[in-house]
Amino acid sequence: GENVEQHPSTLSVQEGDSAVIKCTYSDSASNYFPWYKQELGKRPQLIIDIRSNVGEKKDQRIAVTLNKTAKHFSLHITETQPEDSAVYFCAASRNDYKLSFGAGTTVTVRA
Amino acid sequence: DTGVSQNPRHKITKRGQNVTFRCDPISEHNRLYWYRQTLGQGPEFLTYFQNEAQLEKSRLLSDRFSAERPKGSFSTLEIQRTEQGDSAMYLCASSPFQWSNYGYTFGSGTRLTVV
Repeated sequence: GENVEQHPSTLSVQEGDSAVIKCTYSDSASNYFPWYKQELGKRPQLIIDIRSNVGEKKDQRIAVTLNKTAKHFSLHITETQPEDSAVYFCAASRNDYKLSFGAGTTVTVRA
Repeated sequence: DTGVSQNPRHKITKRGQNVTFRCDPISEHNRLYWYRQTLGQGPEFLTYFQNEAQLEKSRLLSDRFSAERPKGSFSTLEIQRTEQGDSAMYLCASSPFQWSNYGYTFGSGTRLTVV
């Protein structure tokens, strides 16, 4: 099955700086890569996703890049704000129903 | 209908007891998923339904686990003879059949503690 590895496990950044989280996946047939944000005690929420026919996607301060050859994808958050503090999960899917998640990155934005 | 609803939010049970959780998906979503999340880990796929049909079950779903979606609307997840290793957050999610533009919508989960 699919194996998704996520790094780093924790990330502390100064407010206003950028944060980058990287994930690698094992199944070359995976074609859908979402990112979820989970605040303490709350449900995971989709923040951005990318499909394998696209190399980069941006939504305001958030961007995701995909390198299919290397089987890795990254989340970039620019101009970080305190409300960006949360656990971020990457995931990968080769079909249209099952997601394989990484272990998560705890992001702390220092004021 | 503003989202995926899960009940109860928290459940504490003694080892060996049976528990049942309920998930009400977004009404127009015909796909429903169950995931399990343990502390410090990402969610792990357990099973999914398309309408009332259960189409895939993970090997994580032992014989003590059973999930149903009898009328293609709400779903229940039952754990029989609970063990301490079953302690986790159980997340339900739903999506339209054509999920490509929407992904999942997760519920807030049911946190199970087996003592």
